[in-house]
Amino acid sequence: EAGVVQSPRYKIIEKKQPVAFWCNPISGHNTLYWYRQNLGQGPELLIRYENEEAVDDSQLPKDRFSAERLKGVDSTLKIQPAELGDSAVYLCASSLALGGSYNEQFFGPGTRLTVL
Amino acid sequence: SQQGEEDPQALSIQEGENATMNCSYKTSINNLQWYRQNSGRGLVHLILIRSNEREKHSGRLRVTLDTSKKSSSLLITASRAADTASYFCATAGSAGGFKTIFGAGTRLFVKA
Repeated sequence: EAGVVQSPRYKIIEKKQPVAFWCNPISGHNTLYWYRQNLGQGPELLIRYENEEAVDDSQLPKDRFSAERLKGVDSTLKIQPAELGDSAVYLCASSLALGGSYNEQFFGPGTRLTVL
Repeated sequence: SQQGEEDPQALSIQEGENATMNCSYKTSINNLQWYRQNSGRGLVHLILIRSNEREKHSGRLRVTLDTSKKSSSLLITASRAADTASYFCATAGSAGGFKTIFGAGTRLFVKA
């Protein structure tokens, strides 16, 4: 079974430029997560989707970040414009969530973003 | 903000020794999960323990949960060099809308 796929794996951009990350979750997983992980820290949730609905985006900086999950499968996370502080690893995860009880999450390899 | 706090922040042991990591959290939970992250494989789920469970085993891993103290521990027995990684606890509960919140992690180094 294929795992969570993310691309690109690495991205280097200059500040104020836009950037986009793509995620393909495990087939059949209805819940998709985007996390940001800073060096030496644990992942912090940016947004969670159940199917195509964003059910938790309270941590997403909406002035510059946007996300979509068309047709409830693949998802894209965008930053426009990027700032120096956005340098981090962006992780996508998926799970099969049943009701209000959340099960294990399967993570992709992440995209390491460097903003110069 | 992160709910789980791991202790210690870093741990260095010899191969064959046991490693114990602790996690404390603040609000009520539905379950607590432990993940491992190393540069080779990214974040991998290790074990999930539900709020009505007190102990769980998986291979060389033993997890305990004390909801009265809002704490959990992860024990790795007979450690191997391949166990070198960062270990994170993640709590999921109704507080915060069933959000899974990760701690900052314990960095384990196992010397061969």
